[in-house]
Amino acid sequence: DTGVSQNPRHKITKRGQNVTFRCDPISEHNRLYWYRQTLGQGPEFLTYFQNEAQLEKSRLLSDRFSAERPKGSFSTLEIQRTEQGDSAMYLCASSLVDRGRNIQYFGAGTRLSVL
Amino acid sequence: QKEVEQDPGPLSVPEGAIVSLNCTYSNSAFQYFMWYRQYSRKGPELLMYTYSSGNKEDGRFTAQVDKSSKYISLFIRDSQPSDSATYLCAMNPPQGAQKLVFGQGTRLTINP
Repeated sequence: DTGVSQNPRHKITKRGQNVTFRCDPISEHNRLYWYRQTLGQGPEFLTYFQNEAQLEKSRLLSDRFSAERPKGSFSTLEIQRTEQGDSAMYLCASSLVDRGRNIQYFGAGTRLSVL
Repeated sequence: QKEVEQDPGPLSVPEGAIVSLNCTYSNSAFQYFMWYRQYSRKGPELLMYTYSSGNKEDGRFTAQVDKSSKYISLFIRDSQPSDSATYLCAMNPPQGAQKLVFGQGTRLTINP
């Protein structure tokens, strides 16, 4: 499978615990995005990487959230001290920017449930 | 007011009908327009993308962009029950982060 891969698919945790999600992008893609989607809404941008550099973070990304992309390959998104409001689908997308065109391909997502 | 507006539906049509899905937007900087299909509890799957104004056809799907009206459409011909899903419009500007701005999504059901 050469698409975007996300793990785990579903994470159930108790409030206050830390969780980490992983995203493996399409191998030749240089950009990697994280989005969050709540029920009945479209995905909302969280942050993105150009190779290993994190270039923009949304106001949605509180200081409890941190993302990394070491060596410009896979990425991790960590949420510390989870809250019930963090329950959502976390989506990763990757793209290869080509002459201004930036078509993003999504993974299946990680569904987080905070109890 | 949201940057991208999309009627959430739900929309229910009989099999074989022509489906029309629409979005309006406010940011004139948007240049790339995409339609994603999302099945329940799955990630968004890219259906089509268009650049600037115009039409694009791919099989039973046609995407239209009218930048003067800030209005985009997706038409599905000969709709099938397997087309039942949530359809998300998305768009981004050509510079910077090019983060996608999504509509709320329209939930579509095709009845056999």
